[in-house]
Amino acid sequence: DGGITQSPKYLFRKEGQNVTLSCEQNLNHDAMYWYRQDPGQGLRLIYYSQIVNDFQKGDIAEGYSVSREKKESFPLTVTSAQKNPTAFYLCSSTPLTGPGDYGYTFGSGTRLTVV
Amino acid sequence: AQSVAQPEDQVNVAEGNPLTVKCTYSVSGNPYLFWYVQYPNRGLQFLLKYITGDNLVKGSYGFEAEFNKSQTSFHLKKPSALVSDSALYFCAVRALNSGNTPLVFGKGTRLSVIA
Repeated sequence: DGGITQSPKYLFRKEGQNVTLSCEQNLNHDAMYWYRQDPGQGLRLIYYSQIVNDFQKGDIAEGYSVSREKKESFPLTVTSAQKNPTAFYLCSSTPLTGPGDYGYTFGSGTRLTVV
Repeated sequence: AQSVAQPEDQVNVAEGNPLTVKCTYSVSGNPYLFWYVQYPNRGLQFLLKYITGDNLVKGSYGFEAEFNKSQTSFHLKKPSALVSDSALYFCAVRALNSGNTPLVFGKGTRLSVIA
């Protein structure tokens, strides 16, 4: 089945550590997005990429980094500069031609906790 | 700049009664509007979208939404609520002809259907 796979489902980070969240899609979608979800704040955009080897900052990019070396992969690194990384992270994708009949597709998320 | 307002953090409704979850938006040009549902610790599931055409859009699980351009609203409705509809609902928008720009989300409305 086509879809977006986010891993791991749960991730624990120690203070000062960098961690990387994986997002892989087999939908042949061109554009990919990372959102952060906090209770009562909805989804806030971290980074997005519309083509390979190109990406743009979203509203809350500070303390995060991304890469887009392959069309199907868009990993997110949470760096030690991100002071409050505990949140639920969602990856999304859509084809170049637009969302089609099923909207933007979302993965099942990664819950990151600082310990 | 685009924005979405979901004025109610929580909506409570008795099973079998009609439900409405409110959404208003702001966007430059014509809107591309979406509703998503989220169950605990899961990703977002697409319910329906509006591009152009009939102002009443029908979606998954018996949900529908009414687009009102003059009021810049896109309220989600269902004629008869089920306990299983209890979840977090998000409204999202982007400008229609903006390419694959990211969606902007509201803060979400928690729907509780009481048996």
